[in-house]
Amino acid sequence: AQTVTQSQPEMSVQEAETVTLSCTYDTSESDYYLFWYKQPPSRQMILVIRQEAYKQQNATENRFSVNFQKAAKSFSLKISDSQLGDAAMYFCAYKMPTSGTYKYIFGTGTRLKVLA
Amino acid sequence: DGGITQSPKYLFRKEGQNVTLSCEQNLNHDAMYWYRQDPGQGLRLIYYSQIVNDFQKGDIAEGYSVSREKKESFPLTVTSAQKNPTAFYLCASSISYRTYEQYFGPGTRLTVT
Repeated sequence: AQTVTQSQPEMSVQEAETVTLSCTYDTSESDYYLFWYKQPPSRQMILVIRQEAYKQQNATENRFSVNFQKAAKSFSLKISDSQLGDAAMYFCAYKMPTSGTYKYIFGTGTRLKVLA
Repeated sequence: DGGITQSPKYLFRKEGQNVTLSCEQNLNHDAMYWYRQDPGQGLRLIYYSQIVNDFQKGDIAEGYSVSREKKESFPLTVTSAQKNPTAFYLCASSISYRTYEQYFGPGTRLTVT
């Protein structure tokens, strides 16, 4: 069965600095999607970035980028120039794209604190 | 504005009572989902619906029920059979169950005493 592990329950970063959140997953599949979701204090889940497993190039979205290591089954999120608004819970998630596989598998989350 | 609405934001019930959580979307999405979130845990899937008049159990369906009579609506009933119903409940939708991106509602915090 697929699993997603986030080993850092909490991280802190100074404003304007860079932080990396870790995520590892376990799957026997070769084709899948990986995601990072942000959940701010409002608790609304917001998609930050996604990565298709067949793409070798790491995804980037403005200040957010990933380091996708398929062989190592690692999918870390790097936040550059951290801002106070980045403070939130961050969830790593996995999804298979094939038919009949309907669900995401979420990690337990990492709480990011941004220090002014 | 297109999106997903969940109401109410906070809900309180006495033990032994059934309670229904509302989820409405105007995104014209076929698929809808219900997740439960507990402290220190990721989201866990309760039920999902790929299309109107169809729904399937997720990983933790016991004590819950759903209906999907309209494309826009996917209400979740937490029954008295749910042993630990106090939690944060999130509804989501996607264009279809095969697409990768899910859009989430703002959630409902249910407290049962």
